[in-house]
Parts: sequence; C-alpha cells; structure tokens
Amino acid sequence: DTGVSQDPRHKITKRGQNVTFRCDPISEHNRLYWYRQTLGQGPEFLTYFQNEAQLEKSRLLSDRFSAERPKGSFSTLEIQRTEQGDSAMYLCASSPPIAGNTGELFFGEGSRLTVL
Amino acid sequence: DQQVKQNSPSLSVQEGRISILNCDYTNSMFDYFLWYKKYPAEGPTFLISISSIKDKNEDGRFTVFLNKSAKHLSLHIVPSQPGDSAVYFCAARNFGNEKLTFGTGTRLTIIP
Repeated sequence: DTGVSQDPRHKITKRGQNVTFRCDPISEHNRLYWYRQTLGQGPEFLTYFQNEAQLEKSRLLSDRFSAERPKGSFSTLEIQRTEQGDSAMYLCASSPPIAGNTGELFFGEGSRLTVL
Repeated sequence: DQQVKQNSPSLSVQEGRISILNCDYTNSMFDYFLWYKKYPAEGPTFLISISSIKDKNEDGRFTVFLNKSAKHLSLHIVPSQPGDSAVYFCAARNFGNEKLTFGTGTRLTIIP
C-alpha cells in the first residue's frame, strides 16, 4: 500500500490521559501536514513539516499538543492531558516536493479520538 | 472567522443531471482553490484545482469555475453518477503558504 497510513484508526481515552498518533506519509513526500476535523466542519490546519522541520503551527495547537517528524519520514502527534474538546478526527496528509504542483494533499484515513 | 463558506449543507441531484456545488470566500489573498471529495470512513481525496489566474478548469466530468470579483467558485459535475455521492469540500490557499483553509462541506446525494 503506497498511501498515507495512520495509526491507530480509533482511540478512546479518559480525560486527562495522553494519546499519540502516528502517520506514515507516502514515501518520497517531503511535506507532511496534520489537520483536525470535528463533526459538521471541514478539516482545520494544525501543523506542517518540510522534511524534519516544523515550519508552521496553527494557533489551534495549544501547549498540550506536540508534533514531531524526527527523521523526515513518519510523524507523531501527541496530545497531553486530553480534554473532551479534543475529540475529533485527526487527519494526516503528505505532498511531494515537486515545484508547481497542484497543491494536492494526499490524506490518510484519519485517527478518530474520543475523550470520555 | 469562516474564510471559506459552503452555504448548502446538502444537495440531491438525479443521476445523469448536472450537480453544481458552490463555495464563497472572503480572503482576497487566496490564490489557489481546490475541491476534495470525502467518502465515509475515508480521508478526503483531491478532485480538481484552479489557480486565481484562470476562471475555468476542466477534468473529465468535473469543471471548476472561479469568479474572483464575486469571490465565488463552483464545481460542476456532469453527468452525475451514483458514485459521486459524497461530501465535497472546497479549500483555498495563499501563495507561498502551505496551509489549506477548508469550507464546511456539502453532502451530495445522487438519486438513481
């Protein structure tokens, strides 16, 4: 499978616990993005990596959120001390380094977080 | 602040007819627009895009029209097929900015 892979697909946790999501982008895609989608809304940008460098971070990403892409390949998104408002679908996407591309992002199937 | 708006949450169209999905934006700095399609339990998939230097882009059954003065774009699907039933998201981007701003989506249902 050469698509964007996310793990786990679904996570149920209690308020206050920490959770971590992993994203494996399409190989040779140097750009990686995290988005969050809540019910009835479109995806909202969280953060963006080019290789291992985190180049942009949304104001939505509070101090409880941290994302890494240590070797420029897979990425992790950690949420500490989860709150019920963190319940959402967390989408990872990647895109190739080709200049002048369509701007297309290749999305994974998402990791759904439910905070009880 | 909803910079990209899709005011129709849902749309039903007869198979074979034209589907028209609309999108409005408020940020005049947006210069690239994309449409994504999303099936349940899947991530969004790219459909078609248009640069602000164009007013129309076609790809098979899909055509996107951009009216910069009205800050409005539309996606036309003709003829509509049952497999087109999905949620469609409009998205926009500033030049040099990697962030996509999405609308809230329109659920399209094609009636056989």
